[in-house]
Amino acid sequence: KAGVTQTPRYLIKTRGQQVTLSCSPISGHRSVSWYQQTPGQGLQFLFEYFSETQRNKGNFPGRFSGRQFSNSRSEMNVSTLELGDSALYLCASSLMVGSDGYTFGSGTRLTVV
Amino acid sequence: QQQVKQSPQSLIVQKGGISIINCAYENTAFDYFPWYQQFPGKGPALLIAIRPDVSEKKEGRFTISFNKSAKQFSLHIMDSQPGDSATYFCAASMKGVTTDSWGKLQFGAGTQVVVTP
Repeated sequence: KAGVTQTPRYLIKTRGQQVTLSCSPISGHRSVSWYQQTPGQGLQFLFEYFSETQRNKGNFPGRFSGRQFSNSRSEMNVSTLELGDSALYLCASSLMVGSDGYTFGSGTRLTVV
Repeated sequence: QQQVKQSPQSLIVQKGGISIINCAYENTAFDYFPWYQQFPGKGPALLIAIRPDVSEKKEGRFTISFNKSAKQFSLHIMDSQPGDSATYFCAASMKGVTTDSWGKLQFGAGTQVVVTP
């Protein structure tokens, strides 16, 4: 079956702009989590959605937001981009919130210039 | 602060050798400890996971050892192969009394493993 699909794979944005990243979970998975991966900070949890509701949030500023649709697809948005937002953004899906076995997508590589 | 500490940062092992990666945690509420493998350009992939009610779990060439009293767990890769060259992450999560903590994986900093032919 199809894995977690993230689009786009690569993105270059200018400081101050905003960006929207998309994630389609594995069919049947209802929980979607987002992580930021950077060489300096490693993998950091952004937020998790289940049934269109944010269930859990990491320690990121309010510029980072997300949402989940009724078909479990999720988007994350970063407004007023900063150079430090350059990272690989990973989406992971699982059957339920807190269930074992999160499956990650290949990520969206965001570069802010 | 990093809730899961991972070492070493990098590791070089000969083909056929054993790779050992260690992780330590402080929060005794953690109750799920997965290991992820990541290749360049890919997202992390779940390799093997353990819960604190067992001390060891083996899947193929990969074994997790878990020491609850020491709050440490480790990954052993037996008979290491060049295809095992990747970055490995330990992680931990908990199912707390509220939903605030559910599903939030705390990752270690990662270990880059290189297996030489």
